[in-house]
Formats: sequence, structure tokens, C-alpha cells
Amino acid sequence: EVQLVESGGGLVQPGRSLRLSCTASGFSFGDYTLMWVRQAPGKGLEWVGLIRSKAYGGTTEYAASVKGRFTISRDDSKSLAYLQMNSLKSEDTAVYYCTAGSGSFDCWGQGTLVTVSS
Amino acid sequence: SYELTQPPSVSVSPGQTARITCSGDALPKKYAYWYQQRSGQAPVLVIYEDNKRPSGIPERFSGSSSGTMATLTISGAQVEDDADYYCYSSDSSDTHAAFGGGTKLTVL
Repeated sequence: EVQLVESGGGLVQPGRSLRLSCTASGFSFGDYTLMWVRQAPGKGLEWVGLIRSKAYGGTTEYAASVKGRFTISRDDSKSLAYLQMNSLKSEDTAVYYCTAGSGSFDCWGQGTLVTVSS
Repeated sequence: SYELTQPPSVSVSPGQTARITCSGDALPKKYAYWYQQRSGQAPVLVIYEDNKRPSGIPERFSGSSSGTMATLTISGAQVEDDADYYCYSSDSSDTHAAFGGGTKLTVL
């Protein structure tokens, strides 16, 4: 079964760090760009950033709202991707999704909730 | 950053045609993708590369793009199409991507 599963969410205080993981199965993870998307409660989807496949240099891009605080990485040997989130703010509270795809192939995880609050 | 603009809401009666637009400066050069999101669920791709439909998506869903505007059309909308719809694309240099603000489609 083609699947992405996020983990690592939870309650964290402002200014602290959290690392989310995204585990892939059922497809050739290393062939695809991996993207993180978040959705604040009652709000729309927000693009967070992406990491390209090794074939396209494995480079990363970030939204202005998280650049310098968030880092995306991947370990293709384990079919894993990570979102390291530092200096968290209350406005980072959201469900975080990882997604991979190209053309008609498109896979999303179920999301993991991150709540930033004291 | 890059921005895509959608109308906040569209409302149609069952069987009517719903059109949802998405405007962005780079759309003449970049593909638009459309996602459907039902409450509490992850988004589902309904149109990719402007006008292609993934397998399993009903034929009533179609897409088009002209200039700086992409359009999702649902011909003969059904009650089950009642959901939020988001367009997605990237800027011309592929350094930033964005989702539109989302359109709440009401089929009632």
C-alpha cells in the first residue's frame, strides 16, 4: 500500500524545538520531491517547504514564514523525511502534512498536530 | 513569496456547473494543480498539470488554464462535491510554491 505517515507532533512551548518525521512505504521514495504543508485550525493549506530528490540535487526551498527556523532533510535509505522546527511560535500551530508526488501520482499523510503554547 | 488568489466561496445547485478560478503571475509558465479537501481529511488531487485528471476522479472534474488564470470546472456538481478546493503552483523560478486561499464549494 502506498502510504506516508507523519509522527512527532504534540504540545511544545514557544521558542522550543520539535522534529517531525515522515515515513514512506509502497513506492520508490527516493524518486520524488517531498513537501511539507501545514493547516492552521480552521484555515487553508500553507506550503511550508520541499526537498527535491537526489536526481534533482536534493536541494531545499522554504516559505518566507519559516525560512531560517525550519529545516527539511531526507534519508532515502530509510524512506524517511524530517522537518526540524526551531524557535517555534504560536502561529506555527497547525496540522502538518508530508506529501510526495509527480504528475498523477500524489500521496499525502494523515497529518500530525503541532500545538505551540505555554 | 508567491501568491495564488481564489474566490472564498462558490455556491451552486445540484446538477449545475461550478467554476472555481485561481490567479497567479507565473501561471502562464507553470502548471496548476487542484485539490479537494473534505472536512477533517487530507487533500485529494483532482486535477494535475492544468487539465489532467488522475484515475478515479469523476469525469465531471476538468481543468483549464489561460494566461494568469487557471479554472477548475465541475460539470453537473453533486452533493458529494461539497468541499474546499485549493489550487497549487510554483513561481517561475521554482523557489517558492503556494496554495491558493481555498474556495468553499457549496452544493445545495
